[in-house]
Amino acid sequence: NAGVTQTPKFQVLKTGQSMTLQCAQDMNHEYMSWYRQDPGMGLRLIHYSVGAGITDQGEVPNGYNVSRSTTEDFPLRLLSAAPSQTSVYFCASKLTWGGGTNIQYFGAGTRLSVL
Amino acid sequence: TQLLEQSPQFLSIQEGENLTVYCNSSSVFSSLQWYRQEPGEGPVLLVTVVTGGEVKKLKRLTFQFGDARKDSSLHITAAQPGDTGLYLCAGPPGGGKLIFGQGTELSVKP
Repeated sequence: NAGVTQTPKFQVLKTGQSMTLQCAQDMNHEYMSWYRQDPGMGLRLIHYSVGAGITDQGEVPNGYNVSRSTTEDFPLRLLSAAPSQTSVYFCASKLTWGGGTNIQYFGAGTRLSVL
Repeated sequence: TQLLEQSPQFLSIQEGENLTVYCNSSSVFSSLQWYRQEPGEGPVLLVTVVTGGEVKKLKRLTFQFGDARKDSSLHITAAQPGDTGLYLCAGPPGGGKLIFGQGTELSVKP
């Protein structure tokens, strides 16, 4: 039962470096999203996708890019990392876009430090 | 912008005590969800409440959705150390997106 898989689990970057956080789900879910979690701020939505080829911005999209070429994968790219992007990143998926009652499944997170 | 405000942010209690966590908004939500997150893990859904005034029970946890669908509460009876974790409320501001409250960090000491 893989569910939502995120890699890597930990990453340290220097300011200005780029990297891609990987996210894959094996539940054939249409909807996928990326959140960042910072102390005292809950989870904030970065980007989301309602299906392959369709992405949109969330609350805090600046500094991040996404693409969705397949149903299974939804990578998050940091083009030029900044210390303000130090955070824990969570990928999540749910069956469909519509309906606030759908169960959203989360990955275990990627802990990123930008020095 | 719809916001969800949780209180308290931190709660440290002894095993056996009762507690209540609140999730409030100035906006109406079609539904609210409660998640629990353990250290090093992602949030896991506990319950979804949909109808104003609805009460749902999950063993020692009782969830309530306000009549006006602007607030929700989580009550834990006789807390145990295994209840320790971060509790998050979440709701859809529109469409399928979810917004989250800041979270309540609960520590239950034996």
